[in-house]
Amino acid sequence: GQQVMQIPQYQHVQEGEDFTTYCNSSTTLSNIQWYKQRPGGHPVFLIQLVKSGEVKKQKRLTFQFGEAKKNSSLHITATQTTDVGTYFCAALNSGYSTLTFGKGTMLLVSP
Amino acid sequence: DGGITQSPKYLFRKEGQNVTLSCEQNLNHDAMYWYRQDPGQGLRLIYYSQIVNDFQKGDIAEGYSVSREKKESFPLTVTSAQKNPTAFYLCASSIGDRVYEQYFGPGTRLTVT
Repeated sequence: GQQVMQIPQYQHVQEGEDFTTYCNSSTTLSNIQWYKQRPGGHPVFLIQLVKSGEVKKQKRLTFQFGEAKKNSSLHITATQTTDVGTYFCAALNSGYSTLTFGKGTMLLVSP
Repeated sequence: DGGITQSPKYLFRKEGQNVTLSCEQNLNHDAMYWYRQDPGQGLRLIYYSQIVNDFQKGDIAEGYSVSREKKESFPLTVTSAQKNPTAFYLCASSIGDRVYEQYFGPGTRLTVT
């Protein structure tokens, strides 16, 4: 399957600061999905990006898909304590039936 | 309420015993998946099924087995052949038919000693 590298592995911010996590692949991706997992919880789907250069926003969250469809980012503006959790990117494999997940970025937000 | 249920939430077993983890969904989804999550490792695919009575190995199928006799159920058996079974196990489903968003159950944390 695909391999997706996610950085950073961990980030600790003060509430109100911005946060970005990056997802990179050596191959072109057909689509990229983002999930959030709260501590002790399960992953929850956030969004799917399909088109080259696509940008989508959900309130304070901005998702981008690179022009070459080899990278993606999730940016959170003015973090809140409710943003705490691990954010995963996931790439659709070539057979279109499974996802390969990155190892995730754990976000900790201090009040 | 539609969703995915996994039971139990916590499971403890002795080494050398097989154990079966339950996964049930009432979302009428065709595709179901089993993942294993270890700290700092992300989610790794164990098995998946796109239709009843059919399933495929994922990236780490060794030491695991599954069945898909009913659309709503996809149990996972962790056999004694799995060398490091202690982990958090997540079941997921998706509509299938080229809709790829996955819905996850609450997970089962298995500890084998």
